[in-house]
Amino acid sequence: EAEVAQSPRYKITEKSQAVAFWCDPISGHATLYWYRQILGQGPELLVQFQDESVVDDSQLPKDRFSAERLKGVDSTLKIQPAELGDSAMYLCASSQPREPYEQYFGPGTRLTVT
Amino acid sequence: SQKIEQNSEALNIQEGKTATLTCNYTNYSPAYLQWYRQDPGRGPVFLLLIRENEKEKRKERLKVTFDTTLKQSLFHITASQPADSATYLCALERGTGRRALTFGSGTRLQVQP
Repeated sequence: EAEVAQSPRYKITEKSQAVAFWCDPISGHATLYWYRQILGQGPELLVQFQDESVVDDSQLPKDRFSAERLKGVDSTLKIQPAELGDSAMYLCASSQPREPYEQYFGPGTRLTVT
Repeated sequence: SQKIEQNSEALNIQEGKTATLTCNYTNYSPAYLQWYRQDPGRGPVFLLLIRENEKEKRKERLKVTFDTTLKQSLFHITASQPADSATYLCALERGTGRRALTFGSGTRLQVQP
């Protein structure tokens, strides 16, 4: 069964350092999402891609976060510089460009900023 | 602003009983609503989708209702099993037409053997 791949699974970094996360969605899924999930809360959308284009980044802290999906397949989310409050689970999801619109999530990257 | 409320307290039930979880929302008119299951340290897994013109949807031991007048969805697990223990997330289409979701904070279900 096809799955969304993410790496790394865990990342510990010091504040003010740069960190990057990678996501490979399910083949054929044109829509890709990055979410951030703080412990005890639900996932919060950071950015949504349709193919290589950003369609929603209204909740992305653009002063320090950036995301790209250059060829419309895999994607990278970057934080520079990392802050203590960025400690969270970063989840990538993908969905088909047609109904039903359920999202398939990867295992996530657990980020700890010290 | 848009708001989704799920019971933040854990729900503890005995094996074999029916678990009922609630999702209430305000300032939304979602075209559809979804339920996901999340185990500790893992990504959410899709369970069911129900559209605004559907009252009820079933899948095996799962049942979801959607009342757009009350702005509420109920999620039922019948004949619950310890393996059903997890956090269940309600998610609503954000209304942007782009299929992005806004999630509730989830309700943790614990099924006791």
